[in-house]
Amino acid sequence: ELKVEQNPLFLSMQEGKNYTIYCNYSTTSDRLYWYRQDPGKSLESLFVLLSNGAVKQEGRLMASLDTKARLSTLHITAAVHDLSATYFCAVGFGNEKLTFGTGTRLTIIP
Amino acid sequence: KAGVTQTPRYLIKTRGQQVTLSCSPISGHRSVSWYQQTPGQGLQFLFEYFSETQRNKGNFPGRFSGRQFSNSRSEMNVSTLELGDSALYLCASSSGQYINEQFFGPGTRLTVL
Repeated sequence: ELKVEQNPLFLSMQEGKNYTIYCNYSTTSDRLYWYRQDPGKSLESLFVLLSNGAVKQEGRLMASLDTKARLSTLHITAAVHDLSATYFCAVGFGNEKLTFGTGTRLTIIP
Repeated sequence: KAGVTQTPRYLIKTRGQQVTLSCSPISGHRSVSWYQQTPGQGLQFLFEYFSETQRNKGNFPGRFSGRQFSNSRSEMNVSTLELGDSALYLCASSSGQYINEQFFGPGTRLTVL
């Protein structure tokens, strides 16, 4: 059974600081997704990573994928309050089935 | 392009009742997946439909069922509701091609009393 683990589960960081969220998964997959969820809202797609070594950046967020290590990272640069949310990684397994990580609740403190 | 729509947005039911949730995917998308989100279990995959056929199924009891219509709209049904079925039910739409991004709807918040 595919397992997806994220850490940390909770993260409080000051504005302007950098940090990284880690996503480990147990079974080989070539699809890794990152989503953002604001409280009471649905999931917003951030990144789709499809190959080993893939790196994607959008604003202050950068995601990377190492399929050999079964590890993806979401790096936050110079955090701002608007980035406060819960971030999920999800691994693609079979046709359209996503297995989600536990989520990382990120709080940016002014 | 209009996004994924789900109805109703909120629902309150009592134990033993049944409920039907609806999802309209993005125009042109043929795959609809359903997920259950709870604080305790997180996001869990229920099932996926593609061209009116169930293509994938998660580990949920038979009380959870779904279907997809020829216009790709999908419905999910939960019979004999239990307290533990209280959750946010999310539907996601994609083109159905391998390695494809899923777009999520706003969800239906189901409360079982």
